[in-house]
Amino acid sequence: GNSVTQMEGPVTLSEEAFLTINCTYTATGYPSLFWYVQYPGEGLQLLLKATKADDKGSNKGFEATYRKETTSFHLEKGSVQVSDSAVYFCALRLTGANSKLTFGKGITLSVRP
Amino acid sequence: NAGVTQTPKFQVLKTGQSMTLQCAQDMNHEYMSWYRQDPGMGLRLIHYSVGAGITDQGEVPNGYNVSRSTTEDFPLRLLSAAPSQTSVYFCASSWAGELFFGEGSRLTVL
Repeated sequence: GNSVTQMEGPVTLSEEAFLTINCTYTATGYPSLFWYVQYPGEGLQLLLKATKADDKGSNKGFEATYRKETTSFHLEKGSVQVSDSAVYFCALRLTGANSKLTFGKGITLSVRP
Repeated sequence: NAGVTQTPKFQVLKTGQSMTLQCAQDMNHEYMSWYRQDPGMGLRLIHYSVGAGITDQGEVPNGYNVSRSTTEDFPLRLLSAAPSQTSVYFCASSWAGELFFGEGSRLTVL
């Protein structure tokens, strides 16, 4: 079946540190890949996405590259801020699967001043 | 823009009680869905709808019913609440593959 695996959390970093959050996937077809972010007390919102191999999604200083050879979509940011503290979810959607997304378990990021 | 609106934001139920979580969207999206979020489990799809009059089961549908009489509304019904249904529930609508989430409804079943 289709699944998304995220690294175990939580993650605590100091402001301006480099961030990597690992995400790997298993899919029967050719999925689109997403990162969603959930700020405290809010619903999820799309952070970035990539729809085919080697695509790079980027937004708000975050980047992730769709790596088909390693079935990965790792999230990176060069310098995190306190305002980046949130829960991050990796997700996939198969082509033709309407809008059904399969989510990873999420990882909590806390950034210290 | 209101986007996706969920009510109530918080609810406490006793085992066996029934209730309906309301979800409305004003973006004219055909696709709507309900997820539950539990610690260490991520988001799991309960039910979804690809348009008015059409609903289908997701990953964890047991204990929940849905209907879709209009494009705008997609209520989630718990007919006989159980403690295992204590969770945070999110409604979402979708356009071009992107999900737009409501702010969530936190349900506690005692």
